[in-house]
Amino acid sequence: EPEVTQTPSHQVTQMGQEVILRCVPISNHLYFYWYRQILGQKVEFLVSFYNNEISEKSEIFDDQFSVERPDGSNFTLKIRSTKLEDSAMYFCASSEGGRQGGKNIQYFGAGTRLSVL
Amino acid sequence: AQSVTQPDIHITVSEGASLELRCNYSYGATPYLFWYVQSPGQGLQLLLKYFSGDTLVQGIKGFEAEFKRSQSSFNLRKPSVHWSDAAEYFCAVVPRFGNEKLTFGTGTRLTIIP
Repeated sequence: EPEVTQTPSHQVTQMGQEVILRCVPISNHLYFYWYRQILGQKVEFLVSFYNNEISEKSEIFDDQFSVERPDGSNFTLKIRSTKLEDSAMYFCASSEGGRQGGKNIQYFGAGTRLSVL
Repeated sequence: AQSVTQPDIHITVSEGASLELRCNYSYGATPYLFWYVQSPGQGLQLLLKYFSGDTLVQGIKGFEAEFKRSQSSFNLRKPSVHWSDAAEYFCAVVPRFGNEKLTFGTGTRLTIIP
């Protein structure tokens, strides 16, 4: 069964450093998302991406964050200068289509745990 | 304001007992509804979804959920739980109009006792 793959599973970094979290969405999917879950809290939306551009972003997704689809398979989340409060589990998700086609079922990867020291 | 509520933070049931996890939503129009499960150290796995039609939907692992428009609820049920069902369960919605992001409830942690 196709799945969303995220690497690394755990990333430890020093405050102020840049990190890149990587995701390989399901191959025929067109919509991509990042969510995060701070320990003990609920899963929160960060950003959605379609047709090579951001379609929506939350207030959390400030100038320190960026997303990119550098090639036909990868989808990355970059945090330019990490803060302690960026420590969380980051989930990538993808869906085949949008809501109008009834295909906006989002499938999630196993997540990357980011620890900022 | 639009919201998703899971009133039970933690539920403990005996193995073999029935289970019901509650989810209520507050949206202008009925959103698309989902249940996800997160096992310890794992990602989010889709259990089931409701878009329209039959209000009782079947999912994986023997789970089902019933959509009740009058109560703005989408409760998850299982007739007989197994020890492997111990996990965190999240109700989530996507609105029918506007953005397509998932909004999650706060989750219900399920503990199974022998």
